[in-house]
Amino acid sequence: GQQLNQSPQSMFIQEGEDVSMNCTSSSIFNTWLWYKQDPGEGPVLLIALYKAGELTSNGRLTAQFGITRKDSFLNISASIPSDVGIYFCAGLTSGTYKYIFGTGTRLKVLA
Amino acid sequence: GAGVSQSPSNKVTEKGKDVELRCDPISGHTALYWYRQSLGQGLEFLIYFQGNSAPDKSGLPSDRFSAERTGGSVSTLTIQRTQQEDSAVYLCVEGTWNEQFFGPGTRLTVL
Repeated sequence: GQQLNQSPQSMFIQEGEDVSMNCTSSSIFNTWLWYKQDPGEGPVLLIALYKAGELTSNGRLTAQFGITRKDSFLNISASIPSDVGIYFCAGLTSGTYKYIFGTGTRLKVLA
Repeated sequence: GAGVSQSPSNKVTEKGKDVELRCDPISGHTALYWYRQSLGQGLEFLIYFQGNSAPDKSGLPSDRFSAERTGGSVSTLTIQRTQQEDSAVYLCVEGTWNEQFFGPGTRLTVL
């Protein structure tokens, strides 16, 4: 099925470092969502973006809706061990209900 | 609090057998999705239910897959004559246009 390109696929970082990941698409989206999935659990919503150029924060997380509406970025500042997990982006086109998900970024934090 | 629940949490079956996966959603949401997450992959849309409308089955990978939603609530995903490539985590999702609530998933292993 259709998927977004998400990068990097995996990251190993030291505790305290900042993290950046992004999603790109050939299609324009009107909504971007970012999720985190812990092992054995379903994804949990972190941040939702609804407008091109929008920059939204949730604690140490900041996400941006790209101006072209074809990309989105997620940054995590001062990473901690519990940030470990898989981060997914998801995009939605206006007038549809079918979210398209990225392939995920697997984050590992070394203490 | 109560969330989307799925059963079983794990299912191991032999190739060729039929399996049935169950989703008990949060009450009050009319939209329900099934996604499939294969190892190392993103989330693949399978089917979407919205109220009394005909479901969108466009993501079902073959006619061995079927799903139903009874009374606008509980949903079951049935896979007939399972194949090894059906092995994945099957996620039930309930929600609205701007947020989706994921169940913990059923991990299906076809031997």
